[in-house]
Amino acid sequence: KAGVTQTPRYLIKTRGQQVTLSCSPISGHRSVSWYQQTPGQGLQFLFEYFSETQRNKGNFPGRFSGRQFSNSRSEMNVSTLELGDSALYLCASRTGYSSTDTQYFGPGTRLTVL
Amino acid sequence: EDQVTQSPEALRLQEGESSSLNCSYTVSGLRGLFWYRQDPGKGPEFLFTLYSAGEEKEKERLKATLTKKESFLHITAPKPEDSATYLCAVQNYGQNFVFGPGTRLSVLP
Repeated sequence: KAGVTQTPRYLIKTRGQQVTLSCSPISGHRSVSWYQQTPGQGLQFLFEYFSETQRNKGNFPGRFSGRQFSNSRSEMNVSTLELGDSALYLCASRTGYSSTDTQYFGPGTRLTVL
Repeated sequence: EDQVTQSPEALRLQEGESSSLNCSYTVSGLRGLFWYRQDPGKGPEFLFTLYSAGEEKEKERLKATLTKKESFLHITAPKPEDSATYLCAVQNYGQNFVFGPGTRLSVLP
């Protein structure tokens, strides 16, 4: 079974621009979560989507948003990029939402903001 | 506020030198505790899930245990390929996942 895929793998943007990242979950998984990973803050939860609805949200500004499509694929958007948004953005999928199903991570998208 | 801490921050071992990594947590209601391994530039790779105090799980040279306040990842006779960052995470009853900062393990040949 194919794993979680994320595109693009690397991205370079400048301050003020916006960016959209994409995540395709493992086949059959309906829940997708997004995380930001930086050397200083570690892995921080952004939000989780299940059945096209945002179920949980972390403590990030409104510039960070996401959505999920009917095929469970998800996109994350960051508007008005800041230097501090440079990070590895990870997507994770799991079977459902109301369970302790394990999250499986994708390889991440490395975003550099200049 | 739910919190996860890990110690040590970094650990260097000689090949074959067994040791343990610690994950301490405070959580409003524990649904599960997860261990992941992360190699540089890659996404975390799932290792174990533990659900209740007293539970233990093993995989090759790794063994994870859980108490009411902490979890240990025991590494027996490690090899250089075990070098990675090991992450601990808890899931609370609100379905949120909180990750610890990780332990960076280096195993020298």
